[in-house]
Amino acid sequence: DAGVIQSPRHEVTEMGQEVTLRCKPISGHNSLFWYRQTMMRGLELLIYFNNNVPIDDSGMPEDRFSAKMPNASFSTLKIQPSEPRDSAVYFCASSPSVRTDTQYFGPGTRLTVL
Amino acid sequence: GEDVEQSLFLSVREGDSSVINCTYTDSSSTYLYWYKQEPGAGLQLLTYIFSNMDMKQDQRLTVLLNKKDKHLSLRIADTQTGDSAIYFCAENLTGRRALTFGSGTRLQVQP
Repeated sequence: DAGVIQSPRHEVTEMGQEVTLRCKPISGHNSLFWYRQTMMRGLELLIYFNNNVPIDDSGMPEDRFSAKMPNASFSTLKIQPSEPRDSAVYFCASSPSVRTDTQYFGPGTRLTVL
Repeated sequence: GEDVEQSLFLSVREGDSSVINCTYTDSSSTYLYWYKQEPGAGLQLLTYIFSNMDMKQDQRLTVLLNKKDKHLSLRIADTQTGDSAIYFCAENLTGRRALTFGSGTRLQVQP
């Protein structure tokens, strides 16, 4: 299996622009997680889906952030409009439906908002 | 609170053992995890331990769990330069599948 796939790997944009991050989970995994990593706040959960349904979005910073999972093999995280404080590495992770809840992470998208 | 705490930095010499410590908050966490992050990469699952276990060994890695003190440790035997990375411990809080991560411990292995 190719593992969790994220695109793009790097994104540089200007303040106010819309940014869309993409994730393809491992085939057969039924849970998908979006995390953000910054030096100041470490790793934070933004949202997670189970069977394509958002379960917990309490970590989404504000209305500028939205996430979708239209099918079992694809998810997007959108920021509109983007701000410099959104600069971070965004990770997607997926997990199979087993009791260990182990999560498998993608390589991340490094976002820089100028 | 929901804090998982780790020391920020550890430096060891190649060939020595490394011990990375973590304290967690939820005594009912079912599993506790150790992840490794190399520069510019995502998090790689190293190992996990079920909460009713005291110890788990996997090749050079030994995980010790003290439930009474809510203390988790990761021991790396015969540490190599390739072990240099940031190590995160994580717990899954009761009723929540998402993981809560510590701040990470940067392990530096000196030749």
